[in-house]
Amino acid sequence: QVQLVESGGGVVQPGGSLRLSCVASGFPFQSFGMHWVRQTPGKGLEWLALIWDDGNNKYYTDSVRGRLTVSRDNSKKTVFLQMNSLRVDDTAVYYCARRYCGRSKCYFDGWGQGTLVIVSS
Amino acid sequence: EIVLTQSPATLSLSPGERATLSCRASQSVSNNLAWYQQRPGQAPRLLIYDTSNRASGTPARFSGSGSGTDFTLTITSLAPEDFAVYYCQQSSDGPSYIFGQGTRLDIK
Repeated sequence: QVQLVESGGGVVQPGGSLRLSCVASGFPFQSFGMHWVRQTPGKGLEWLALIWDDGNNKYYTDSVRGRLTVSRDNSKKTVFLQMNSLRVDDTAVYYCARRYCGRSKCYFDGWGQGTLVIVSS
Repeated sequence: EIVLTQSPATLSLSPGERATLSCRASQSVSNNLAWYQQRPGQAPRLLIYDTSNRASGTPARFSGSGSGTDFTLTITSLAPEDFAVYYCQQSSDGPSYIFGQGTRLDIK
């Protein structure tokens, strides 16, 4: 059973940084790409970043490229999201999710419970 | 950028009734569309991928259909646990992943 547990959220001032972690269990972590997705009441669900299973390929949505960095440690079954230069509109619940591929495209199966990030002065 | 528009925003039905949820894409997404269920206080859960394939653990009362720009999620007989928010999502090269704004399925 896929289990993902995020941590690292909290309250941070604008311009600050946070590092989110997501620990995986119940599946061969080193064989799966991993995503970060965030959710806000106003903007809904927004995909942020993808890191492939071996960590060699990383992709970001345009709005966060340069401020967010995804990484992973397969020995610790953990994926990270380093968030810098945080803005008020980064306030959201942040989820990690497993990459699952269908016949031609990939989706999100297996989500963590989320960690809340609040950016406020 | 592709935009996914879900309708209706809210759907009020009774247990046992049939639910039909719509997702329209601003341009063709072929069959690269998924549906997720999000219950209150929980993370989204993958229900359907590649338009019509049920994910592991998805009950048979859930089905997906469509192609190109128009897609439908059908729940044939609503169970109490089905009242939740449903999102469609498309995947494309880039990669790019876009979600619809959601349809809230309420108990009538």
